Amino acid sequence: DAGVTQSPTHLIKTRGQHVTLRCSPISGHKSVSWYQQVLGQGPQFIFQYYEKEERGRGNFPDRFSARQFPNYSSELNVNALLLGDSALYLCASSLGGTGEVDTQYFGPGTRLTVL
Amino acid sequence: AQSVTQLGSHVSVSEGALVLLRCNYSSSVPPYLFWYVQYPNQGLQLLLKYTTGATLVKGINGFEAEFKKSETSFHLTKPSAHMSDAAEYFCAVSGGSNYKLTFGKGTLLTVNP
Repeated sequence: DAGVTQSPTHLIKTRGQHVTLRCSPISGHKSVSWYQQVLGQGPQFIFQYYEKEERGRGNFPDRFSARQFPNYSSELNVNALLLGDSALYLCASSLGGTGEVDTQYFGPGTRLTVL
Repeated sequence: AQSVTQLGSHVSVSEGALVLLRCNYSSSVPPYLFWYVQYPNQGLQLLLKYTTGATLVKGINGFEAEFKKSETSFHLTKPSAHMSDAAEYFCAVSGGSNYKLTFGKGTLLTVNP
């Protein structure tokens, strides 16, 4: 079975531009989460979507937004890019049910560099 | 609120030696605990997880971890290190609302021949 896929692999943007990152979850998974990993740090939670609805949001500015499509794939959008947005953006897929622990499986990430 | 502290940003061991990576957590609700490994320029791979039940959890590649509630710890061990174990290891906690993972800052494991 295919794992979580993300595109693009690498991306270079300049300050002030906009970027869209894409994620396809594992087949059968209905939840997608996004994390930002700055060099030398652990991943930081940005969003989680379940059944196309936002389930949770981390402490990130409104420049960050996301959505989930009917096929459960997801996009993360970042507007007005800042140098500090340079990071590895990780997408994680999970079943999304409530009650039991929802184990998240990560994709390879998109490396964003802002110049 | 939840948090994770990983003691030691860098651990170096010899091949064949015991690996011990330390993780302490803070959680106001019963925690779910995870260890992930990240190889250079890759995403995170799940090593093992603790949900409920048995406190000693076995994972992939010979790793295991023990949940100790009294010590709020979830240390990762492997009896004999292999060169291929060299990577960064992250401890993470979730619970309650169950939708968010909170990660530690990671521990870089170096294995010397």
